[in-house]
Amino acid sequence: DTGVSQDPRHKITKRGQNVTFRCDPISEHNRLYWYRQTLGQGPEFLTYFQNEAQLEKSRLLSDRFSAERPKGSFSTLEIQRTEQGDSAMYLCASTRGDQPQHFGDGTRLSIL
Amino acid sequence: GEDVEQSLFLSVREGDSSVINCTYTDSSSTYLYWYKQEPGAGLQLLTYIFSNMDMKQDQRLTVLLNKKDKHLSLRIADTQTGDSAIYFCAEKVESSASKIIFGSGTRLSIRP
Repeated sequence: DTGVSQDPRHKITKRGQNVTFRCDPISEHNRLYWYRQTLGQGPEFLTYFQNEAQLEKSRLLSDRFSAERPKGSFSTLEIQRTEQGDSAMYLCASTRGDQPQHFGDGTRLSIL
Repeated sequence: GEDVEQSLFLSVREGDSSVINCTYTDSSSTYLYWYKQEPGAGLQLLTYIFSNMDMKQDQRLTVLLNKKDKHLSLRIADTQTGDSAIYFCAEKVESSASKIIFGSGTRLSIRP
């Protein structure tokens, strides 16, 4: 399968812990996006990479959140000192040029 | 501002046509999308339309775009039980990120 791959699919952690998610985009895609989706809502934009450069961050992305795409291929999203409100589905999408974004199956984060 | 609105629920009988409606506010949108999300899964791109088109047909799917009224619709012909899902309308916002703004989703349920 050459789609967008996200790992893990589910993460359960205690409040205050740090978590890291990984996204492997479709191989020829140079643009990579992170979105957050809460129950009953559509995905909301968090941040965007073109190759290895992080070009835009939403105001939803507090200073506890950091994302990287060190070699312009896979990306990681880290949340430090997790809070209850961080419980959500974190979706990664990738694309090239003007093509539509293709989404992974997401990482569902549950904070105990 | 950027906003996408859609009704929350739609119930149709198996074999009938489903029509899901959406309105958006950003007149500079270049592409408009329909994504499908099944329980526990990511978003699957169903179809998309460029803003200079009025209609696009793809097998059982027909997209209609009224750019003057900023209204987008998705018609699913001969609706089947496998069409049960949440359908998201989305617009591509022209910015450095070209991020996608999603509606809250329409939950389509199929009656036997």
